[in-house]
Amino acid sequence: NAGVTQTPKFRVLKTGQSMTLLCAQDMNHEYMYWYRQDPGMGLRLIHYSVGEGTTAKGEVPDGYNVSRLKKQNFLLGLESAAPSQTSVYFCASSRAGGPYTGELFFGEGSRLTVL
Amino acid sequence: LAKTTQPISMDSYEGQEVNITCSHNNIATNDYITWYQQFPSQGPRFIIQGYKTKVTNEVASLFIPADRKSSTLSLPRVSLSDTAVYYCLVGATGANNLFFGTGTRLTVIP
Repeated sequence: NAGVTQTPKFRVLKTGQSMTLLCAQDMNHEYMYWYRQDPGMGLRLIHYSVGEGTTAKGEVPDGYNVSRLKKQNFLLGLESAAPSQTSVYFCASSRAGGPYTGELFFGEGSRLTVL
Repeated sequence: LAKTTQPISMDSYEGQEVNITCSHNNIATNDYITWYQQFPSQGPRFIIQGYKTKVTNEVASLFIPADRKSSTLSLPRVSLSDTAVYYCLVGATGANNLFFGTGTRLTVIP
């Protein structure tokens, strides 16, 4: 059982280039999330999805776009990368809502450097 | 949205019990309290979750007083492998109200 898989794990971009991070989960979870983590800081929510075909903005959505065409996949895109987007990106998934927020399962992270 | 406050760092000797307290004065009625552990270069990992009183699993205990304005994660007999950052989160239904904050960096000393 792979859980949450992120690709690529490392990437170096030049300013202005575009790229897509792929997140795949095999737990049939409804909810998926993209976070970024900068040195000495906690995780900040970029975008999230509560089901196939849905996306919504999180705390720091500017400069990113997302898509959830298939339930198991959640893509994070950078259309024109900026040095401020240098970070470690984490994808997570969880079961649907209910009266409480269920456990988040995280991927191993994708380290992105923008020169 | 309920914000949380945790100590930035803690040190403990191996074999001791460690208690990390989190303050969440604005916790809402529907909010649950969840703790995650993060090792370097890894994603956070769920440790424990609770609503009130005490919750215990094979890894930790979570103590929540009646007013729920704080919570304490208790790690029994820590080992060097427990060195990590611990995050306290407060949230309820919905996918956009989980804020990790900066966490508590626990260092276990031999």
